[in-house]
Amino acid sequence: GENVEQHPSTLSVQEGDSAVIKCTYSDSASNYFPWYKQELGKRPQLIIDIRSNVGEKKDQRIAVTLNKTAKHFSLHITETQPEDSAVYFCAAYSGGSYIPTFGRGTSLIVHP
Amino acid sequence: KAGVTQTPRYLIKTRGQQVTLSCSPISGHRSVSWYQQTPGQGLQFLFEYFSETQRNKGNFPGRFSGRQFSNSRSEMNVSTLELGDSALYLCASSTDRGYEQYFGPGTRLTVT
Repeated sequence: GENVEQHPSTLSVQEGDSAVIKCTYSDSASNYFPWYKQELGKRPQLIIDIRSNVGEKKDQRIAVTLNKTAKHFSLHITETQPEDSAVYFCAAYSGGSYIPTFGRGTSLIVHP
Repeated sequence: KAGVTQTPRYLIKTRGQQVTLSCSPISGHRSVSWYQQTPGQGLQFLFEYFSETQRNKGNFPGRFSGRQFSNSRSEMNVSTLELGDSALYLCASSTDRGYEQYFGPGTRLTVT
C-alpha cells in the first residue's frame, strides 16, 4: 500500500520567515495530494491541494509543489505569522482507490 | 452552509462495551469518511461511504463498522471496546470521490 513520509516533525521559525514541509510517497499511481492544518483542539482544515497533472499551485501565502518523478510534494508558507502555528498534515490518495494515507504531521511554531 | 457535525463530542466507555458515533455531512455531500486520530499512529483512514454503500475500507478489525443513511448521515460503531480504541474519531464529507474533504470537530472516545 501507499506510504507517506513527512519531514520535519517540528519546525520553528521567526515571524516573517518562510516555512517548507516536505512529503514523499511510494505509490506512483497516487493522484491527489491535499494539505491540512490542525490547530490545537480543532478539526483539520483543508488549506490547499494539488492533483497529479499540475506541478504547482498557489493561494496567497501558501503554495504546494509536486514532483511526480521524485514522488514528493512540498508545502511552502511565506511571510509566516503567529496564527500559522499549527500541525500540518499531508496526504496522498492512491490512484483509483480514493483511500488517503496521511503523513505523521509537522508541528509549525512561528515565534513573534 | 452548515459544517460537518458530530455527536457526541465526548464519550467515556469501559472495555468490552460498544459505542455508536454519528456524523452529519455538509448539505449536498454524499461521501462520508471516518478517521481515527491518535498521538501514536496519527490520522488513519477507517472507511468511506457513498450513497449508502461502503466504498473503501482501511486496515481496521471487523469490530469497527459503519453505515450511511439515505440523507447521507453516517454512523460508526465500535464493538467490544479495547483500551487502544481511545482516540479522536473524525468524520469528513465531500461531494463525490472523497477529495476536498471537510472535517467535523470529532468525537473524543476514552476507553477505561
